[in-house]
Amino acid sequence: GENVEQHPSTLSVQEGDSAVIKCTYSDSASNYFPWYKQELGKRPQLIIDIRSNVGEKKDQRIAVTLNKTAKHFSLHITETQPEDSAVYFCAAHGNNRLAFGKGNQVVVIP
Amino acid sequence: NAGVTQTPKFQVLKTGQSMTLQCAQDMNHEYMSWYRQDPGMGLRLIHYSVGAGITDQGEVPNGYNVSRSTTEDFPLRLLSAAPSQTSVYFCASSYVSANTGELFFGEGSRLTVL
Repeated sequence: GENVEQHPSTLSVQEGDSAVIKCTYSDSASNYFPWYKQELGKRPQLIIDIRSNVGEKKDQRIAVTLNKTAKHFSLHITETQPEDSAVYFCAAHGNNRLAFGKGNQVVVIP
Repeated sequence: NAGVTQTPKFQVLKTGQSMTLQCAQDMNHEYMSWYRQDPGMGLRLIHYSVGAGITDQGEVPNGYNVSRSTTEDFPLRLLSAAPSQTSVYFCASSYVSANTGELFFGEGSRLTVL
C-alpha cells in the first residue's frame, strides 16, 4: 500500500517567517495529495490539495508543490501567524484509500 | 446540515467488553471511513466503504468490524476491546471516494480501554 512520510516532525518558526513541510510518497500511481490541519482537540480539516496533473497550487498564504518524478510534495506557509500553530498532515491517494503521514507539529512563536 | 456526527465522544471500556461507535452523515456522501489517531502515528485507516452494502479493510482492521446498511450510517464495532485499542477514532466521509475531494471528519471519539 501507499506509504507517506513527513519531515520534519516538529517545526518552530518566528511569526512572519515562512514554514515548509515536505512529504514523500511511495506509490507512483497516487494522483491526489491533500493537506489537513488539525488544531489541538479539534478534527482535521482540509486546507489545500493538489492533483497529479498540476505542479503548484496557491491559496492566499498557503501553497503546495508537487514533484511527481521525485514523488514528493511540500506545503508552504508564508507570513506565518499564531493561528497557523497546529499539526499538519499530508496524504496521498491510491487504491481507493487516503494514506496519511504522521503529521508535523508547527509552532509559530510570537 | 450537521455534517458528520459521531457518538459517543468519550467512552471507557474494560478489556473484553464490546461496543459500537456510531457515525452518521447527512451530506449524501457515498464514501465513508474510520481512522484511528494515536500520538506520533498520524491517522491510520481502519475500514472504509464506497457505498451501501460495500465495505473493505484499511491499514489496521484487526479487532474491528463495520457494516454499511444505509448511505448515512457507518458504525464501527469493537467485539472484544483490548488496551491497544485505546485511541481517538475519527469517522470521515466524502462525495464519491477519497480522491475526489475533501474528507469531512467527525469530531472524534476518545476511547480508553482499561
